[in-house]
Amino acid sequence: DTGVSQDPRHKITKRGQNVTFRCDPISEHNRLYWYRQTLGQGPEFLTYFQNEAQLEKSRLLSDRFSAERPKGSFSTLEIQRTEQGDSAMYLCASSYRQGDEKLFFGSGTQLSVL
Amino acid sequence: AQTVTQSQPEMSVQEAETVTLSCTYDTSENNYYLFWYKQPPSRQMILVIRQEAYKQQNATENRFSVNFQKAAKSFSLKISDSQLGDTAMYFCAFIKGTTGKLIFGQGTTLQVKP
Repeated sequence: DTGVSQDPRHKITKRGQNVTFRCDPISEHNRLYWYRQTLGQGPEFLTYFQNEAQLEKSRLLSDRFSAERPKGSFSTLEIQRTEQGDSAMYLCASSYRQGDEKLFFGSGTQLSVL
Repeated sequence: AQTVTQSQPEMSVQEAETVTLSCTYDTSENNYYLFWYKQPPSRQMILVIRQEAYKQQNATENRFSVNFQKAAKSFSLKISDSQLGDTAMYFCAFIKGTTGKLIFGQGTTLQVKP
């Protein structure tokens, strides 16, 4: 069990560029979550998957954001046409199954949009 | 809407002393889970303790314990024998049912002083 892995740890981009983040959950965890956290605030829910199915998306997830989890393993979060307001820490978490409500978090990807 | 409120933005405690962090929440649900997460300067979100709403007994994990008052919708965290490594931001969080979707409070920054 190597924990939840996120890549990259840091990303600096210019406004208008597209960025993609990757999350590898703990092996055998079938639920995967994305959260966004700005400095000094608690994380805010963005979306979650059960296996490969995306079950819920927050209203925070504008149509510039898309998340995928092909084959129910790793997940990617893409932000198109980045804006300065997208600057935040993007956290991924996974849990074993429905009913085991313990989420394990990765170290996050810190995005800075210049 | 479900909300989580942490009314203490910052707290400090001397090493080896005891400190209590407050949290209140608002929900009309009967089946839910409550959590305390710790986020040290590394920004890795670490699960500290979990409480199922249907259990009257307060959860305990080593030096960490909770005071769960369901009728008052209060969920405080007590840290005994505080250690320097406890310095971190602490988030209270709530999950409704089995969605796995965490709703976080604003956080309390705890500083343990030598």
